[in-house]
Order: sequence, then C-alpha cells, then structure tokens
Amino acid sequence: NAGVTQTPKFQVLKTGQSMTLQCAQDMNHEYMSWYRQDPGMGLRLIHYSVGAGITDQGEVPNGYNVSRSTTEDFPLRLLSAAPSQTSVYFCASSFTPEWGTEAFFGQGTRLTVV
Amino acid sequence: GENVEQHPSTLSVQEGDSAVIKCTYSDSASNYFPWYKQELGKRPQLIIDIRSNVGEKKDQRIAVTLNKTAKHFSLHITETQPEDSAVYFCAVNTGNQFYFGTGTSLTVIP
Repeated sequence: NAGVTQTPKFQVLKTGQSMTLQCAQDMNHEYMSWYRQDPGMGLRLIHYSVGAGITDQGEVPNGYNVSRSTTEDFPLRLLSAAPSQTSVYFCASSFTPEWGTEAFFGQGTRLTVV
Repeated sequence: GENVEQHPSTLSVQEGDSAVIKCTYSDSASNYFPWYKQELGKRPQLIIDIRSNVGEKKDQRIAVTLNKTAKHFSLHITETQPEDSAVYFCAVNTGNQFYFGTGTSLTVIP
C-alpha cells in the first residue's frame, strides 16, 4: 500500500516564484489536509478538504491555494513564495475527522525560500 | 479556534523510567484526542488515541488518560527504551479540524 505520497521531498525556491506540492492517497479517504511544521510551533493546518470539490481554510491559509478535483489528489499551491514560507509541509488524509479517525501523513516536503 | 497547550517541551529520562506528557485544550466540543510520534526526519505516526467517552486507554507500555471536565489529557510511557526517543505531539479534533500541540522532545538516556 502506498498510503499518502507527497512530492517533491525537497525544494528550493526564489522569492516570488510559484510552485505546487503534490499529494495523493490511495486509501479512498474523504478528508485530506495540509500542514506546515515550524520549530517550536507544532503542526499548523493550512487548508483542508472533506471531499472532492470541497475545500476550506485552516489556521494559516494566507499565501496558499488548494483544489480537490478527485478523491485521491489534493495539491497545495504557493502563489508567490516568501521566506516566511520556509517550512516542512505535510499532507495528511483520514477517513473522516468528524468521528475522530487516524490521520495518515505523507513523508513531508522541506521547502526553502531564498 | 481551539487552543492546545503541551508540556513539557523537552523531557529527558533514564532508560526504564516513566515519561508523562500533558496537554490541555479549550473547546469542550472536542471529541477525539490522538498522540503522534515523530522520529527525526520522518513523518508523524499515530501511537495511541482516545475518544471523549473514554477516560483511559492502554496499549502495552503506552497509555493515555482524559479528563474532560478539566480539559486535559496525558500520555504515559512506562519502562522507556532508547527507541522511544522522538518528538511527541498531542492533537485535538474539533469539528473538521485537528489542532496540534507544539511537541515534546523526549530523550531516553541508556
């Protein structure tokens, strides 16, 4: 089982560049989400989706866009990268968050914006 | 939104001793409380979870207790081993969102 697959694993961007972080899951999970992890701040929710065609903002959505055209894929777009977006990004999926189910994480993307 | 506080931020214990990590939350509607372990350079992985209608859950050397009235829950690791060294995160599920604590770096000294 592949689980949650994230690409790329590492990325360096220049300020102002845009890019898309890819996330795919093969567990038929309805719920998918993106987090950023910064030292001393834990994991903070950027955007999430409860199903295809439905997305919503999390705690720190500014500077990021998402879409969910299929159940399997949930890409995260950085529109105009800034040094403050240097972080480790994790995609996660779960069956549904409503009744509390395990979140499965991708392997993470370490992004550096210079 | 939900406010999750986790303590301590770092914890060192001798091998064989117990470790306790505590989290508090603010939203009484929260209903699911997982704990994740993250080894260096790896993804977070679930180690134990508890739902709001349960007060305690145990899985071998790991246990979680929940006090809904006081809005806090704790992770207990007994007979610690060097492979328990990692960062541990508590999380709280409120509605459609997970809120994570800031993490506890646990070091088990052989």
